[in-house]
Amino acid sequence: SQQGEEDPQALSIQEGENATMNCSYKTSINNLQWYRQNSGRGLVHLILIRSNEREKHSGRLRVTLDTSKKSSSLLITASRAADTASYFCATGVAGSYQLTFGKGTKLSVIP
Amino acid sequence: EAGVAQSPRYKIIEKRQSVAFWCNPISGHATLYWYQQILGQGPKLLIQFQNNGVVDDSQLPKDRFSAERLKGVDSTLKIQPAKLEDSAVYLCASSLRQNTGELFFGEGSRLTVL
Repeated sequence: SQQGEEDPQALSIQEGENATMNCSYKTSINNLQWYRQNSGRGLVHLILIRSNEREKHSGRLRVTLDTSKKSSSLLITASRAADTASYFCATGVAGSYQLTFGKGTKLSVIP
Repeated sequence: EAGVAQSPRYKIIEKRQSVAFWCNPISGHATLYWYQQILGQGPKLLIQFQNNGVVDDSQLPKDRFSAERLKGVDSTLKIQPAKLEDSAVYLCASSLRQNTGELFFGEGSRLTVL
């Protein structure tokens, strides 16, 4: 079964705007990761946040983690057409070696 | 650094036929994963190897799917006999060690079962 659930399922924005995607999960985690998948390609790792961290930045990406609410958000600032892709959160469940993916958010950035 | 290599990229077969997918992980990566991604969904773990031993195969349909990792490097995933619902992209990924974070994915093998 899939642990994380992204919201919204699809998001369409204009180039230059910010995009926010959310992920909710059910059980305790060691870490939470975000991946990007361009159409017809494999997944690419974007950022990892550990359960004892609250916020992390990487370039135009900002990830927050609220373990009390079992949720995370991914913010992409100043979006570009090249950011058009599906974004997945993946949770590393505590006590397990598994990394479990959600269903993803499909982001479309319109030039 | 070479990435995760997978072949074939595309395969079309009739139901009840067999198919095999091959994966060569990043050199030095001890952990290898096979994921199944059905259209519109996230990847689902089928099997995880640590070197040449199986760590987790709880979601592998063992009546038709099998996987091996020869000498702890390359891996092969086989489906026999295939069903229509096996149509999906089969993604191979590797990581330096298990439970350490970042997974590196191959481009995937897209299977269509007619």
